[in-house]
Amino acid sequence: GAVVSQHPSWVICKSGTSVKIECRSLDFQATTMFWYRQFPKQSLMLMATSNEGSKATYEQGVEKDKFLINHASLTLSTLTVTSAHPEDSSFYICSPYRDRVGEAFFGQGTRLTVV
Amino acid sequence: KQEVTQIPAALSVPEGENLVLNCSFTDSAIYNLQWFRQDPGKGLTSLLLIQSSQREQTSGRLNASLDKSSGRSTLYIAASQPGDSATYLCAVSSSNTGKLIFGQGTTLQVKP
Repeated sequence: GAVVSQHPSWVICKSGTSVKIECRSLDFQATTMFWYRQFPKQSLMLMATSNEGSKATYEQGVEKDKFLINHASLTLSTLTVTSAHPEDSSFYICSPYRDRVGEAFFGQGTRLTVV
Repeated sequence: KQEVTQIPAALSVPEGENLVLNCSFTDSAIYNLQWFRQDPGKGLTSLLLIQSSQREQTSGRLNASLDKSSGRSTLYIAASQPGDSATYLCAVSSSNTGKLIFGQGTTLQVKP
């Protein structure tokens, strides 16, 4: 399988601050990066899709100005939660994707708690 | 719009039992289906990937089947062990873009 590194694994921040989450594909080049969110006791929901060098596409209901995604290279993508509020507390997980492989791989996830 | 449902939501069994987890999807036009394992507070581990042209995949004590026409997949776990305790997620992809739609998961507890 592919090796994906996501950090931090957990972060606690104050309301109103910004948090950056980093996702790296260590042994393959990801043309596409998916960012998912998982609230307690719920399944994963896709937030946005980004392609290297292009603007991200956000799912309905996800604020693009709050969740800034940068996919600057084929091995690195970042998700920045801006002006975080308690309702943004969730488990965020990235999934870099290789074209034509079909199988999805995931980072270890980031538990964000906004106090 | 594709919807994925997993039944049961939770399952508790004694060690050694064989068990079946169910996954159903509303749109049979899928590209592939994948089963994942998620431990509490952790990321996802891919267990089995079934392409739309395949009917089943096996890995060790795990066997996943796919019936595209009826919109169903099952994950069979043989001789369950306490270490199998986790949440199992089913996800379908409708194209080769990699975008996945997840079910709600089945939380499995295997008691020693």
